[in-house]
Amino acid sequence: GQQVMQIPQYQHVQEGEDFTTYCNSSTTLSNIQWYKQRPGGHPVFLIQLVKSGEVKKQKRLTFQFGEAKKNSSLHITATQTTDVGTYFCAGPKGTGNQFYFGTGTSLTVIP
Amino acid sequence: DARVTQTPRHKVTEMGQEVTMRCQPILGHNTVFWYRQTMMQGLELLAYFRNRAPLDDSGMPKDRFSAEMPDATLATLKIQPSEPRDSAVYFCASGPGNFQPQHFGDGTRLSIL
Repeated sequence: GQQVMQIPQYQHVQEGEDFTTYCNSSTTLSNIQWYKQRPGGHPVFLIQLVKSGEVKKQKRLTFQFGEAKKNSSLHITATQTTDVGTYFCAGPKGTGNQFYFGTGTSLTVIP
Repeated sequence: DARVTQTPRHKVTEMGQEVTMRCQPILGHNTVFWYRQTMMQGLELLAYFRNRAPLDDSGMPKDRFSAEMPDATLATLKIQPSEPRDSAVYFCASGPGNFQPQHFGDGTRLSIL
């Protein structure tokens, strides 16, 4: 069945270092969403990518959607302690409105 | 800011008891989702409603779980009877339409003893 996998599962970085998480799907995705969940919190929507090869930026965060629309990445430049949390990608389940959430990447930033 | 409201925030009960979790979606949102989050399984979709109609509950154990939307302002998730393996955080989320961002509630942290 359709799955959305993320790597790495955990990442520890020194404050100021860059961070990247990768999302891979076994099937082509019509769109992909990214969410952030702070420890003890709930997932919060960050961005949605729709077009093949699309790149979007939010301050220090850069999101990419692969040309084949089967993978995506989130890159954070110069991490800060406020970036701590788990980052999830989510891809549609078939043609429906339901989304499969990836396994998530837990980011720890060491001051 | 509009937000999804879930009650209760925490629930501890004994195995075999009925558990009811409630969710008030954001006014005007026509899609509602129930998720379960555990360390082992991550975020699992349990049920999905659009315009109050259940469209997908394939992720939900049918023998003990049920999800309903009695009206547009209330979604419920029931577990009867509850088991220790049901211990998890249950999130409700709502959205304004197809493929739109989902807005999550704070979750119900459920512990079944």
